[in-house]
Amino acid sequence: DAMVIQNPRYQVTQFGKPVTLSCSQTLNHNVMYWYQQKSSQAPKLLFHYYDKDFNNEADTPDNFQSRRPNTSFCFLDIRSPGLGDAAMYLCATSEGSSSAYTDTQYFGPGTRLTVL
Amino acid sequence: GESVGLHLPTLSVQEGDNSIINCAYSNSASDYFIWYKQESGKGPQFIIDIRSNMDKRQGQRVTVLLNKTVKHLSLQIAATQPGDSAVYFCAEVSNFGNEKLTFGTGTRLTIIP
Repeated sequence: DAMVIQNPRYQVTQFGKPVTLSCSQTLNHNVMYWYQQKSSQAPKLLFHYYDKDFNNEADTPDNFQSRRPNTSFCFLDIRSPGLGDAAMYLCATSEGSSSAYTDTQYFGPGTRLTVL
Repeated sequence: GESVGLHLPTLSVQEGDNSIINCAYSNSASDYFIWYKQESGKGPQFIIDIRSNMDKRQGQRVTVLLNKTVKHLSLQIAATQPGDSAVYFCAEVSNFGNEKLTFGTGTRLTIIP
């Protein structure tokens, strides 16, 4: 089945130690998104790629970076994780056929990040 | 700023009864709305969507109602089942200006056996 896959599902890192989360999709969608979701809160958009074009949200800290080497894969890099970065990180995709935002977004299962 | 909010953070419903989850939005320019279901430890799952040129849309056991006059969105789940227990988020998209999927705060629905 076509889907959005995130690895790993659980990631533990140490304070300040760089970590990379990965997302892949078999939907062949143009747009890939990264969200941060803290406990009992709604997902918060960090950034997205429309094809190769990177779009950062204004309030996303510089500590968060992203790479999209090809259509299928997108990575979230946290350069120096702090305790406040512990959260669920969700990847989503959308077709991007007309507007990048009015297409339905499909989410992966998320990666739960713990920072020690 | 613009916001999407929910009236109730928690809702408990007897199994087999119908449930209604409400959502208020403040951006009158929003023209696309989505309901997501998020089970514990999982990503949000698309349930149903509606565009602003409609006021009602039905799916399997779910109905979304949109009242643009009062900027109100609701999700009705018929004949609830234990598997319906989850957090439900409404989300809106504006095709004018800030084109972003904005999530509401979420409602936790608990189905009582």
